[in-house]
Amino acid sequence: QVHLVQSGAEVKKPGSSVKVSCKASGGTFSSHTINWVRQVPGQGLEWMGRIIPLLGITHYAQKFQVRVMMTADKSASTAYMELSSLTSEDTAVYYCASDPGTQGRFDPWGQGTLVTVSS
Amino acid sequence: VMTQTPLSLSVTPGQPASISCRSSQSLLHADGKTYLSWYLQKPGQPPQLLLYEVSNRFSGVPDRVSGSGSGTDFTLKISRVEAEDVGVYYCMQTVQLPLTFGGGTKVEIK
Repeated sequence: QVHLVQSGAEVKKPGSSVKVSCKASGGTFSSHTINWVRQVPGQGLEWMGRIIPLLGITHYAQKFQVRVMMTADKSASTAYMELSSLTSEDTAVYYCASDPGTQGRFDPWGQGTLVTVSS
Repeated sequence: VMTQTPLSLSVTPGQPASISCRSSQSLLHADGKTYLSWYLQKPGQPPQLLLYEVSNRFSGVPDRVSGSGSGTDFTLKISRVEAEDVGVYYCMQTVQLPLTFGGGTKVEIK
């Protein structure tokens, strides 16, 4: 059974960038889509975008379009989400989640990565 | 836009619970499927998939959890609430980009 293991918590300065990784443990991405969802403390879920590692295709939410980049290393079964120009409003838990296609069957999810943006 | 109601729900164990999710646009895809899913986020955990394509239970989800609806109006029902059902429930549409979640419904036990 595939598990998604994310990189550890990060503390970043305003204006800097963060790169979060998401590794498939116990399997590969196969033809799955990797989605990135963030959750500001105490708030709901927000979809940021997705990547289809097999094809290298990405779709981003317009809100993040200019400062997010999602990539994948198929050989390492690892996906990455890099967010730049960080502000305090980007302080959140970032999750990756696998979808067998694009049907909205997000499972499994990574454990989440807390990114704190503070001067 | 996905709108969930109520914002919160306090339920006596063994009693039913119902959560509504309304979309501003039809979630019926050209392939004939309706792409509405439900997730439960328990405290301190990532969300977990409960239902997909309106009413299909994911592996391991008890049959007291069910989904219904079509077009723009959807409902998640729990026939008999148990302690393990506590958390925040989210609906999500995947028929069009950007994918969007409802605001969430917090379920607690009385």
